[in-house]
Amino acid sequence: DVKVTQSSRYLVKRTGEKVFLECVQDMDHENMFWYRQDPGLGLRLIYFSYDVKMKEKGDIPEGYSVSREKKERFSLILESASTNQTSMYLCASRHLTEQYFGPGTRLTVT
Amino acid sequence: DQQVKQNSPSLSVQEGRISILNCDYTNSMFDYFLWYKKYPAEGPTFLISISSIKDKNEDGRFTVFLNKSAKHLSLHIVPSQPGDSAVYFCAASLNSNSGYALNFGKGTSLLVTP
Repeated sequence: DVKVTQSSRYLVKRTGEKVFLECVQDMDHENMFWYRQDPGLGLRLIYFSYDVKMKEKGDIPEGYSVSREKKERFSLILESASTNQTSMYLCASRHLTEQYFGPGTRLTVT
Repeated sequence: DQQVKQNSPSLSVQEGRISILNCDYTNSMFDYFLWYKKYPAEGPTFLISISSIKDKNEDGRFTVFLNKSAKHLSLHIVPSQPGDSAVYFCAASLNSNSGYALNFGKGTSLLVTP
């Protein structure tokens, strides 16, 4: 069965902190994605990766970076968290044309 | 600019009746369309998809219709059940080499009342 896990379900951080969100998939998928979901805005793509050490900017990469050192793990980094990065963060991996999502991390930046 | 649009933020339907969720897109290069269902505090789960070479795909109570000339697709749920209450996202994919990132609509919140 397909499984995408995210390191935390809920996270509270202070403005200016460096934040790491981890995502692991056990399906040997090459493509992985980070989205954020906000009310009224749907899912917006932050970054994606199509191979180890490869990354591409999505629609809203500002304020974020990513790391893909191993195929199964894709990390999203908030270099200096700000209150407008309070959101639900969703990781996904892709098989053929379908994406499988993790349970999400609800991040609150105070 | 939003390339996938779900113009109804919410929909309320009685149990047993048909739910119709609509989605429009602007990019004629999209060649694969998907519907995802999302419960609060959970990640989206894949529901049903359709390739641009088809105009209908059916899976149990769920049917997706694609009208390429109108750049419109719809999801029909028959009969609707209270457990179908969730947010439904329409998504479209470009056949590109850049990892098949999906373009999502903003979602429609479906409420099925007993």
